[in-house]
Amino acid sequence: QKEVEQDPGPLSVPEGAIVSLNCTYSNSAFQYFMWYRQYSRKGPELLIYTYSSGNKEDGRFTAQVDKSSKYISLFIRDSQPSDSATYLCAMSANRGSTLGRLYFGRGTQLTVWP
Amino acid sequence: GAGVSQSPSNKVTEKGKDVELRCDPISGHTALYWYRQSLGQGLEFLIYFQGNSAPDKSGLPSDRFSAERTGGSVSTLTIQRTQQEDSAVYLCASSYTGTSNSPLHFGNGTRLTVT
Repeated sequence: QKEVEQDPGPLSVPEGAIVSLNCTYSNSAFQYFMWYRQYSRKGPELLIYTYSSGNKEDGRFTAQVDKSSKYISLFIRDSQPSDSATYLCAMSANRGSTLGRLYFGRGTQLTVWP
Repeated sequence: GAGVSQSPSNKVTEKGKDVELRCDPISGHTALYWYRQSLGQGLEFLIYFQGNSAPDKSGLPSDRFSAERTGGSVSTLTIQRTQQEDSAVYLCASSYTGTSNSPLHFGNGTRLTVT
């Protein structure tokens, strides 16, 4: 079993829809949770970053972490065709002051059609 | 400012040859990571450098893989005696301190094809 599980999709939605992307994990030591967006033939770029449980909102993006269920989500409101990309969840255990290694999900491929 | 730069962007090599992949991190970033991304797979951790500390090599898949970071800046990932299963996109990332509140910035990767 991989430490981070993510449904690869593909997911296809109409413009303006609310998108929900999810990951589950098995390592209870994970404290830091991130979502990255990756366009074709580009490197991943950080979208949003949360620590421990709770919600964090940044524009149209909201990240949720439920540590009791070992489950994280990313919501995209008012989705746009430019949101079409692969979305990767990532997480890290807190080793004192260093982030160390990130564990990534496989990524979910999202298409938003006009 | 300049982001993480990787070269070459594409590399085709014959099975059994050695290859070197280069990463120029963002200036001032003390942490540097190498990941590998195969088709349809997530990012597989390879190695992590943090300042002058000993690198975390726990992700290197075999002794054919090695990496070094010179002067705390540029890094080179070397794959010896390449195999077809080494074909993947090799991604480099850097962060300011490697600490928990310092995000990783990725380059666009080197796409390696072993024929």
